[in-house]
Amino acid sequence: IQMTQSPSSLSASVGDRVAITCRASQSISGYLNWYQQKPGNAPNLLIYTASNLQTGVPSRFSGSGSGTDFTLTITSLQPEDFATYYCQQAYSTPLTFGGGTKVEIK
Amino acid sequence: QVQLVESGGGVVQPGTSLRLSCAASGFTFSSHGMHWVRQAPGKGLEWVAVIAHDGTNKYYADSVKGRYTISRDNSKTTLYLETNSLRAEDTAVYYCARDLSTGGSYIFDHWGQGTLVTVSS
Repeated sequence: IQMTQSPSSLSASVGDRVAITCRASQSISGYLNWYQQKPGNAPNLLIYTASNLQTGVPSRFSGSGSGTDFTLTITSLQPEDFATYYCQQAYSTPLTFGGGTKVEIK
Repeated sequence: QVQLVESGGGVVQPGTSLRLSCAASGFTFSSHGMHWVRQAPGKGLEWVAVIAHDGTNKYYADSVKGRYTISRDNSKTTLYLETNSLRAEDTAVYYCARDLSTGGSYIFDHWGQGTLVTVSS
């Protein structure tokens, strides 16, 4: 299953609302997870099963979608949110990730 | 707290082997599936393999199938990845990651800090 993220990068300001989309090459129901990765660090789980917020993740992060189209939304972008975000399908092996979306400071 | 500490990476020549380890602590290791995920320098994430909580089921990415073997020792709370016939394109940081469940959720809820494998002549 191929996962396509868009955009591959974006520039935004603190306080902006940001949306990242992820499209699967076939239906994956709601088996979609989102991760955040900062330079030099391991990824960190943000959202699992499309819309469930991982414990400890700020509520400004949310996920939506089902089937083939999914969205990660960050409301009111904070300085610590500048990072690369990856989607990952958990529907079947081989598990696959999107190519990543780098969120940069405008 | 959950801790995953990888080791065993290094610089190796093409065609050789390396065994990676991931020492786990802070949770009931035998209750969780475990994964290996890798990231080539400057590139995205690539899932490598998964092993169920009891070691019965294992799945691999096509790119490593037949060359890599995932295993675990629940008595030592340690995950392993035996990598054989290494190629330049296997160069990456290798992360171990915990599965949220016994192995079938495919949600990576905790990650180690990674160990770098460099395959070069």
